[in-house]
Amino acid sequence: GAVVSQHPSWVICKSGTSVKIECRSLDFQATTMFWYRQFPKQSLMLMATSNEGSKATYEQGVEKDKFLINHASLTLSTLTVTSAHPEDSSFYICSARLAGRQETQYFGPGTRLLVL
Amino acid sequence: AQSVTQPDIHITVSEGASLELRCNYSYGATPYLFWYVQSPGQGLQLLLKYFSGDTLVQGIKGFEAEFKRSQSSFNLRKPSVHWSDAAEYFCAVAAYMNYGGSQGNLIFGKGTKLSVKP
Repeated sequence: GAVVSQHPSWVICKSGTSVKIECRSLDFQATTMFWYRQFPKQSLMLMATSNEGSKATYEQGVEKDKFLINHASLTLSTLTVTSAHPEDSSFYICSARLAGRQETQYFGPGTRLLVL
Repeated sequence: AQSVTQPDIHITVSEGASLELRCNYSYGATPYLFWYVQSPGQGLQLLLKYFSGDTLVQGIKGFEAEFKRSQSSFNLRKPSVHWSDAAEYFCAVAAYMNYGGSQGNLIFGKGTKLSVKP
């Protein structure tokens, strides 16, 4: 089946630094990737939709200058948390949708971010 | 606006017993409905989905779900639970009109944690 990887799986950083998370579709091309955030014991909340070769579309309340998304190829999207603060600590999950298969998203394993 | 409600935060069942996880959705038209399972350290895995047609949907790992429009429900069932089924289960809905486009985001319920007693 379609596999999505994320790197790193977890990261600890100091407040004020920037952190980049990669999302890769390993065996398929993904024209669209999604970035979600999950708080403990909470649901996944969509942060943004990333389309290859175009600007990401952010959900209401998500700061686009804070969470930079780049979708440079059909197999890679990156999320950069700029000037991270402790409140950015969370579990970040990406998903990818097959080109031509609009109905199913495949999820990565997630990246746990802890900002000290 | 669409929403998904999973009334049970945590359910414990004995191994071999039957299971039903509840899911209610709010959406004006026919939704796309999904059940995902999330195990620790792993991504969400799609168990099954409903788009149209037969309201009883078969999925992987012996799971099934039934779409009941009159009750706005999409409950997940399994006749005999295995210890390996212990995980977090998420119900999700996608808007019919938006799903095939550039958006098509999923709206998730808060999840139900399943524990399995030996």
